[in-house]
Amino acid sequence: DAMVIQNPRYQVTQFGKPVTLSCSQTLNHNVMYWYQQKSSQAPKLLFHYYDKDFNNEADTPDNFQSRRPNTSFCFLDIRSPGLGDAAMYLCATSSNQGRNQPQHFGDGTRLSIL
Amino acid sequence: DAKTTQPNSMESNEEEPVHLPCNHSTISGTDYIHWYRQLPSQGPEYVIHGLTSNVNNRMASLAIAEDRKSSTLILHRATLRDAAVYYCILQTGANNLFFGTGTRLTVIP
Repeated sequence: DAMVIQNPRYQVTQFGKPVTLSCSQTLNHNVMYWYQQKSSQAPKLLFHYYDKDFNNEADTPDNFQSRRPNTSFCFLDIRSPGLGDAAMYLCATSSNQGRNQPQHFGDGTRLSIL
Repeated sequence: DAKTTQPNSMESNEEEPVHLPCNHSTISGTDYIHWYRQLPSQGPEYVIHGLTSNVNNRMASLAIAEDRKSSTLILHRATLRDAAVYYCILQTGANNLFFGTGTRLTVIP
C-alpha cells in the first residue's frame, strides 16, 4: 500500500545524457516536492508544485526541471547530468500548503552518473 | 532558513527511553517544530510535529520548552528498528522543509 512511489529505485545514466525520474502518489495530495540528498548529507529541497503552480528554490540549478501532468504524477528532468548530480532524489507530497502539514516521502531514486 | 542544532550522534540501549534534543533559538511565533527520521536506504518518515504544547502520538512524544527555543523528541522504548537519523526541522514557510544535519541514533541490543 505504498503511497508515494518512485521508479526506478536505481538509475544509471551517462555524463551529459538527459534522464527523467518519476514519482506517483495515491494520496491525492495537492503538493508534490523534489529533494536531492547527496551521500551523508541531509535532503535539500529543489522545487515543489502546489497543484499546477511551480515553485523553484533560488539555488536550484537550471539543469533541473520538473513536470506535473496531473495530480498523481510528477517528473524530475535532469537535462545534462554532471558527476556532481549523483545523489538520491526524493519525492514527497503533502495535502496542502501549511506549516502543520506533514510530508509523505517515497523511498527515492538513487542516480549514478558514469 | 531557520536553523536547528542537534547533536551529531546519540546511543541508547534497547528498550530504554531516548531523549533527542534540538535547539531552535531563532524560532518565531508561527513556526512549527517538525521531526522526521530516515532509516537506511529509505526516504524520510514523519514522526511528530507541534507548535506550543507537548504532543503525543503512537510513535513518540514531543516536549516543547515554554520559550519554544528548544524541544525534545522522546522515544519511550527504543527498539532496533528505531536506529535512524532524526531530523528536527522548523517549518517557517508555506510547507517547505529545510533539513539540518540531524542526529544519528544508534540502538544497542
